[in-house]
Amino acid sequence: KNEVEQSPQNLTAQEGEFITINCSYSVGISALHWLQQHPGGGIVSLFMLSSGKKKHGRLIATINIQEKHSSLHITASHPRDSAVYICAVNNNDMRFGAGTRLTVKP
Amino acid sequence: GAVVSQHPSWVICKSGTSVKIECRSLDFQATTMFWYRQFPKQSLMLMATSNEGSKATYEQGVEKDKFLINHASLTLSTLTVTSAHPEDSSFYICRAGQGATGELFFGEGSRLTVL
Repeated sequence: KNEVEQSPQNLTAQEGEFITINCSYSVGISALHWLQQHPGGGIVSLFMLSSGKKKHGRLIATINIQEKHSSLHITASHPRDSAVYICAVNNNDMRFGAGTRLTVKP
Repeated sequence: GAVVSQHPSWVICKSGTSVKIECRSLDFQATTMFWYRQFPKQSLMLMATSNEGSKATYEQGVEKDKFLINHASLTLSTLTVTSAHPEDSSFYICRAGQGATGELFFGEGSRLTVL
């Protein structure tokens, strides 16, 4: 079992839909990161969380430390949100989830 | 946020040749650089960790003589794939050590195709 599990692996949505991507982890962490990998491969950091909730534009990230679970939400999704979203946890070393491939259709 | 520049973004080479990939931190000093490899639809796999001025630490199963890492300055780390073979074809991406805020800063990645 991977230390960082993401679900779903793939997600297709219609423009405007509310999207949720989940991340569960099995190790103690100091922080959790949500990353966005563009089709070209570049990776951008979206959020770093150690507790609670953060919001940036249409993106919201939450974390429940007790349950070892985090969610990334996208409101009013748009085709430009199409990307792979990666959950990563900081446990001395960084551990990465396999990613969730999101496709938003117009 | 901090900028990490990686190039080339893509490279095609013949089997047996060597390819060098550069990763530069443009606006901060990266004492540590991480090099990852990513196969299609798979997660990032850490290859090695390099600290400025010292030898890189390689992950188990990564051949240090094949994947040469140099971190000669606080702003530049290089990964050289020596005597490349088709099985080395992959996406390679660097990550500069976390900034003071703990954020992660990645290069743009380099897609290597070995013919």
